[in-house]
Amino acid sequence: DQQVKQNSPSLSVQEGRISILNCDYTNSMFDYFLWYKKYPAEGPTFLISISSIKDKNEDGRFTVFLNKSAKHLSLHIVPSQPGDSAVYFCAANPNSGYALNFGKGTSLLVTP
Amino acid sequence: DTAVSQTPKYLVTQMGNDKSIKCEQNLGHDTMYWYKQDSKKFLKIMFSYNNKELIINETVPNRFSPKSPDKAHLNLHINSLELGDSAVYFCASSQVAQSEKLFFGSGTQLSVL
Repeated sequence: DQQVKQNSPSLSVQEGRISILNCDYTNSMFDYFLWYKKYPAEGPTFLISISSIKDKNEDGRFTVFLNKSAKHLSLHIVPSQPGDSAVYFCAANPNSGYALNFGKGTSLLVTP
Repeated sequence: DTAVSQTPKYLVTQMGNDKSIKCEQNLGHDTMYWYKQDSKKFLKIMFSYNNKELIINETVPNRFSPKSPDKAHLNLHINSLELGDSAVYFCASSQVAQSEKLFFGSGTQLSVL
């Protein structure tokens, strides 16, 4: 039973535009959410995170929004760059005593 | 210097064989993990070790046995390989147990023929 869902397997965006990647979760006990980025033949790397006490966290071109009532989070990349082309995984954790639950990932392609 | 390194990168083997995947981290982290990414692309936790002690053991066949000789190493031994074991296996580490911020190795693509 997947508790973290990324329903869009892929997304294509033009360079300079905004990329919006979405993630839904089912477990209301999740209190920490993360995005990981993965290039081919590499392991995932941590990108940005948000605690459930916040609704927004920003780091440069990357912003994560959390809507707890909808059990939904999104990652915004503005402006998108070709180097952002990668698979993005959403992950969630109920508390520090449990392992991360990952989604299936969304493959982002940023075209010049 | 690679922070989390795992070997081999590719592993092709026959059903029934026994194989090992090695993992080492030079980050000084206390906790190490094995994750499996199956054909459906989900990343699932298999095992977690903190200071050489097993703290998470998800529902994984007992053909899979992790071994942690020290806190910088976590190896994965698989007995009697089956076709369904074909997947990408990722090693990861974190500073504290069950930290959300994981550092992953580049993965081992296991193909069982």
